[in-house]
Amino acid sequence: GAGVSQSPSNKVTEKGKDVELRCDPISGHTALYWYRQRLGQGLEFLIYFQGNSAPDKSGLPSDRFSAERTGESVSTLTIQRTQQEDSAVYLCASSLVRGSGYTFGSGTRLTVV
Amino acid sequence: GESVGLHLPTLSVQEGDNSIINCAYSNSASDYFIWYKQESGKGPQFIIDIRSNMDKRQGQRVTVLLNKTVKHLSLQIAATQPGDSAVYFCAESDTGNQFYFGTGTSLTVIP
Repeated sequence: GAGVSQSPSNKVTEKGKDVELRCDPISGHTALYWYRQRLGQGLEFLIYFQGNSAPDKSGLPSDRFSAERTGESVSTLTIQRTQQEDSAVYLCASSLVRGSGYTFGSGTRLTVV
Repeated sequence: GESVGLHLPTLSVQEGDNSIINCAYSNSASDYFIWYKQESGKGPQFIIDIRSNMDKRQGQRVTVLLNKTVKHLSLQIAATQPGDSAVYFCAESDTGNQFYFGTGTSLTVIP
């Protein structure tokens, strides 16, 4: 696609429910990143995928968070047993190669009530 | 871990004036820096980047300056326009695996 596409754009869920967020990177981009942005704050790194290499999961805040990516295509970020502190915008970005500038999607705004 | 901080959380400038947004970083091993612009409700948008082997890079109306001695980065916007109103983030990386972002500076352009 022409840009990084994320879905849904908005998600409201009840505390304790699981949610799945989707990211479609730019075609051909080998690197894919997930970030979390709380209201009025900077971006917090969550996880990084590079091709078929093992992902860098060092930013995942707890074992309730997981992400998958098949090859160089779609990625899903799953949050299990959501908590109110999970409320944030979840941003996905992709880049052609590691270390080059990212292209971000518009994010998924998650609200846990 | 690294810390990236911005000196001014908010900045207001008159339309047509030049804007300077500053950023300090703490990781001396960081070798790649990017400035992003984020408008309300949108994801960050790449503006300009610079690698540590350079101290200045210019784009269209924007210039990034890097001072590795004091670990300082700045973004200069010439002839600031209302469309430049946004939050600006600097980001640093030493591995390319991830970038560390500051909290951002909110730029408001006064018509």
